[in-house]
Amino acid sequence: DAGITQSPRHKVTETGTPVTLRCHQTENHRYMYWYRQDPGHGLRLIHYSYGVKDTDKGEVSDGYSVSRSKTEDFLLTLESATSSQTSVYFCAISEAGTSGGDTQYFGPGTRLTVL
Amino acid sequence: DAKTTQPTSMDCAEGRAANLPCNHSTISGNEYVYWYRQIHSQGPQYIIHGLKNNETNEMASLIITEDRKSSTLILPHATLRDTAVYYCIVRVWGTGANNLFFGTGTRLTVIP
Repeated sequence: DAGITQSPRHKVTETGTPVTLRCHQTENHRYMYWYRQDPGHGLRLIHYSYGVKDTDKGEVSDGYSVSRSKTEDFLLTLESATSSQTSVYFCAISEAGTSGGDTQYFGPGTRLTVL
Repeated sequence: DAKTTQPTSMDCAEGRAANLPCNHSTISGNEYVYWYRQIHSQGPQYIIHGLKNNETNEMASLIITEDRKSSTLILPHATLRDTAVYYCIVRVWGTGANNLFFGTGTRLTVIP
């Protein structure tokens, strides 16, 4: 399995509070992604990064920000959490352009509940 | 990226081969077929991918029809641990910035 960890694995928070989720990789892959998974919606891309300090929005980026100051870490921040952001969040990594291609490998997920 | 169609659910007896079909009739010439699976509450797990030739790895085999409009994922000897939702995805190779559209997948249940 790819070396991807996510922290925390579970979090319960209240509406209006800031929340930061961390994704850490040991594979030195260039690309990192944040997805959310909700019943009936499958996996939806929130933000992704194509290098240190290089990020871009996905299809459901409103209410989320990201930062990548090091290759190995990709942070997802909910500035002011809302109940609609209750979800399971997955981080993924890939190394586009190599012989391994851009196959995405996923972390174990973070279950976030916003009350 | 082309859309895919998969059966909602399938059962397979333990020890038998599980054959999971996928239709992707609008696939483009530069789109690859990927298979992932997700075991309950875990992150999606990459299984295999291919362009037009059949592929095999330690987990599974991927059979792609000559016209590339459909494919089949084969788990040669299914075990209880293979019970999961299996996703067939088509996308262009090397476009790391593009997300994966997982759809609803096929829920495979391996029966003892």
